[in-house]
Amino acid sequence: KNEVEQSPQNLTAQEGEFITINCSYSVGISALHWLQQHPGGGIVSLFMLSSGKKKHGRLIATINIQEKHSSLHITASHPRDSAVYICAASTLPGGATNKLIFGTGTLLAVQP
Amino acid sequence: KAGVTQTPRYLIKTRGQQVTLSCSPISGHRSVSWYQQTPGQGLQFLFEYFSETQRNKGNFPGRFSGRQFSNSRSEMNVSTLELGDSALYLCASSLGTDPSTDTQYFGPGTRLTVL
Repeated sequence: KNEVEQSPQNLTAQEGEFITINCSYSVGISALHWLQQHPGGGIVSLFMLSSGKKKHGRLIATINIQEKHSSLHITASHPRDSAVYICAASTLPGGATNKLIFGTGTLLAVQP
Repeated sequence: KAGVTQTPRYLIKTRGQQVTLSCSPISGHRSVSWYQQTPGQGLQFLFEYFSETQRNKGNFPGRFSGRQFSNSRSEMNVSTLELGDSALYLCASSLGTDPSTDTQYFGPGTRLTVL
């Protein structure tokens, strides 16, 4: 079993729909990241959160530390949201180090 | 501020050769992390450098190595290339002070093809 699991693996939505991508993790974390990767490889960090909820435009990320679960929501989805969304856990190896463990990604296609 | 840059962007090598990839972090960032992305394994952590010291390492063989210079620029080296080393290699930079608050900024990647 992977330490960071994402679902669904693939998601097709119609423009305007509300989208939810889920992430569960089994490791101790200092933070949970949501990343976006467009075709061609570039990765953009969308959110980093260690508790509660963050919002940026149409994107909302939540985390439940007790349940070891995070969700990424996209409201009023648009074709330009089509990308791979990846959750990643900053693990707690002890000390101030950066090590990310990644989920397998969710390929989102938003159709007009 | 300029973003994270990686050179070269594309590279073709043959089995048995070695390769060196370069990453220039955002100015002021002291941490550089390297990742490998393949269709089969997804994204995997290679190693992290902070202030010229390797601070963390993933589960990769010793053929994969790296270093960081005093200006925070980093290089990674892969020796005795294998076909399975074909991948997108990404580096990311951050301040490196606190992983619970540090945002990592990714470079565009180097796509390595091993023939």
